[in-house]
Amino acid sequence: DTGVSQNPRHKITKRGQNVTFRCDPISEHNRLYWYRQTLGQGPEFLTYFQNEAQLEKSRLLSDRFSAERPKGSFSTLEIQRTEQGDSAMYLCASSEGGWDYNEQFFGPGTRLTVL
Amino acid sequence: AQSVAQPEDQVNVAEGNPLTVKCTYSVSGNPYLFWYVQYPNRGLQFLLKYITGDNLVKGSYGFEAEFNKSQTSFHLKKPSALVSDSALYFCAVREYVKSGANNLFFGTGTRLTVIP
Repeated sequence: DTGVSQNPRHKITKRGQNVTFRCDPISEHNRLYWYRQTLGQGPEFLTYFQNEAQLEKSRLLSDRFSAERPKGSFSTLEIQRTEQGDSAMYLCASSEGGWDYNEQFFGPGTRLTVL
Repeated sequence: AQSVAQPEDQVNVAEGNPLTVKCTYSVSGNPYLFWYVQYPNRGLQFLLKYITGDNLVKGSYGFEAEFNKSQTSFHLKKPSALVSDSALYFCAVREYVKSGANNLFFGTGTRLTVIP
């Protein structure tokens, strides 16, 4: 069991550039989540996939953000025209389907710094 | 709407003493409550959850949590703290959305420091 993996672990970019993050969930998990965590805060929900379908998007997910999960396996989160306010830790989590209360397993996160 | 409050930003406890990290919640419907721990440069690790049934929930690494419906609390406890328990602890509640996303709504976290 390799757990949830995320790449890259760190990303430094200049304002206005586009960035893309990847998440590989636990293989048998059909639910996948993206969260954002800023310093001193708990993670905040961004978006949710069930298999390949994106079923929920937070109001935090502006038009510059897009997420995909082709074939219901790995997922990517892209931020276009990055802003300094996008600097945060981006966390991916996955869980089994079936029950509403299944715990989510988190990856180590991608820390984004926008200069 | 749901909410989670962790009233203490920082908790200090001596090694070997019992520890408590507090959490109160507000949610419509049945509460599904979780505790996660975050170590530096690592993702969140699941500790335990409350779904229904026994109010005392046992989890990983000797942690347990007590669910109190009348006080809408879900405090994390451990009988004897270890220095290695020093970390950031998050309480979370399942958020109710129509899509069935079951995403988590987190508190702001409590930093636990166990003093040798």
